[in-house]
Amino acid sequence: EVQLVESGGGLVQPGGSLRLSCAASGFTISSNYMSWVRQAPGKGLEWVSVIFSGGTTSYADSVKGRFTISRDNSKNTLYLQMNSLRAEDTAVYYCTRVAHVWFGDWGQGTLVTVSS
Amino acid sequence: EIVLTQSPGTLCLSPGERATLSCRASQSVSSSYLAWYQQRPGQAPRLLIYGASSRATGIPDRFSGSGSGTDFTLTISRLEPEDFAVYYCQQYGGSPRYSFGQGTKLEIK
Repeated sequence: EVQLVESGGGLVQPGGSLRLSCAASGFTISSNYMSWVRQAPGKGLEWVSVIFSGGTTSYADSVKGRFTISRDNSKNTLYLQMNSLRAEDTAVYYCTRVAHVWFGDWGQGTLVTVSS
Repeated sequence: EIVLTQSPGTLCLSPGERATLSCRASQSVSSSYLAWYQQRPGQAPRLLIYGASSRATGIPDRFSGSGSGTDFTLTISRLEPEDFAVYYCQQYGGSPRYSFGQGTKLEIK
């Protein structure tokens, strides 16, 4: 059974940093495309970043240069390093497994709140 | 940039009725690259339809997708109580690589 479990969310001040983790089970992340999708409170879904099976990465313009997606194959874990956080980064962050070009499996999400 | 516009913003229907949700793209989208998701309150989204018309594993056959080019439709033939949720369309391609529509909220009348 595929499982994605996010952790690492919390309250952080503007300009601060946070690292999100996503522990995967039931499949091997290095053989899949993995992505982060976020949802601001009461708002819609926004794609954040993707890491392809070959290791290439891509980012939404809103986070480019501030966020870094990575993975640890030995731990079967996906990460999102978030620096220079802004109030508008406040959201639930979902870890997803990308099937072809759609988001087939989702974690339960972790809430990031950027506030002073 | 491909922008997806969903309509209506809110749809009020009764259980047993038929729901038709629209997703319009600002430029042509390959049918292979169009998906629909359902999000119930307090839950993560789940994949309903991929490739514009293929149901994901475990999705009841009352859900169907259709369309091509710039106009896509999600149809729920007979609404069940658990179908009242928010629905999003999503496309792949261009910049940003992935984008979502703003969502349609399906409410009980």
